[in-house]
Amino acid sequence: SQQGEEDPQALSIQEGENATMNCSYKTSINNLQWYRQNSGRGLVHLILIRSNEREKHSGRLRVTLDTSKKSSSLLITASRAADTASYFCATDSPGGDKIIFGKGTRLHILP
Amino acid sequence: GAVVSQHPSRVICKSGTSVKIECRSLDFQATTMFWYRQFPKQSLMLMATSNEGSKATYEQGVEKDKFLINHASLTLSTLTVTSAHPEDSSFYICSARRYRNTEAFFGQGTRLTVV
Repeated sequence: SQQGEEDPQALSIQEGENATMNCSYKTSINNLQWYRQNSGRGLVHLILIRSNEREKHSGRLRVTLDTSKKSSSLLITASRAADTASYFCATDSPGGDKIIFGKGTRLHILP
Repeated sequence: GAVVSQHPSRVICKSGTSVKIECRSLDFQATTMFWYRQFPKQSLMLMATSNEGSKATYEQGVEKDKFLINHASLTLSTLTVTSAHPEDSSFYICSARRYRNTEAFFGQGTRLTVV
């Protein structure tokens, strides 16, 4: 089952620019997480934001959460070539019994 | 950091045979492990959630007799694809976490090709 939708599905930007990805979800959550996946590899956890938090930072990453709109955004500032990857949001149910992923955004940083 | 090891990374098997994929949390005890399937350029689809010592909970549409999941200890879960068919060819990824409502750590995935 899929929980959410990310948009855009694909994004190409110049190195140094900021990249913004959005995620919407359908059901109530305990927290929302963002992950990165390089092609053909496993996922790397980036950041977790709890349902009672509105914004969180980690290095060049900034995540916002709006539970009233059931949406989140991931901002990557000063993008680098190494940021090229797919980015997924994932929601954690209140019972904590499953993590469901959105469809993902394929980010391509142009040199 | 927390490390999850998934083995094998690639496997090719003949149609009708069974394949076992292992997922180990190397430096932490995982109360919950998740198994996902991923098609090319698509998202991860949750197949099942397994808790140590209890039966796995399968998502709707996932055949539990086809995809056998065992979570024998707090550091090991296995997925066995039984009587594999070419349509089972996919990328399978496991993840593990210490506690509910915390981040999950992922294995590197297994590319299964059934010929």
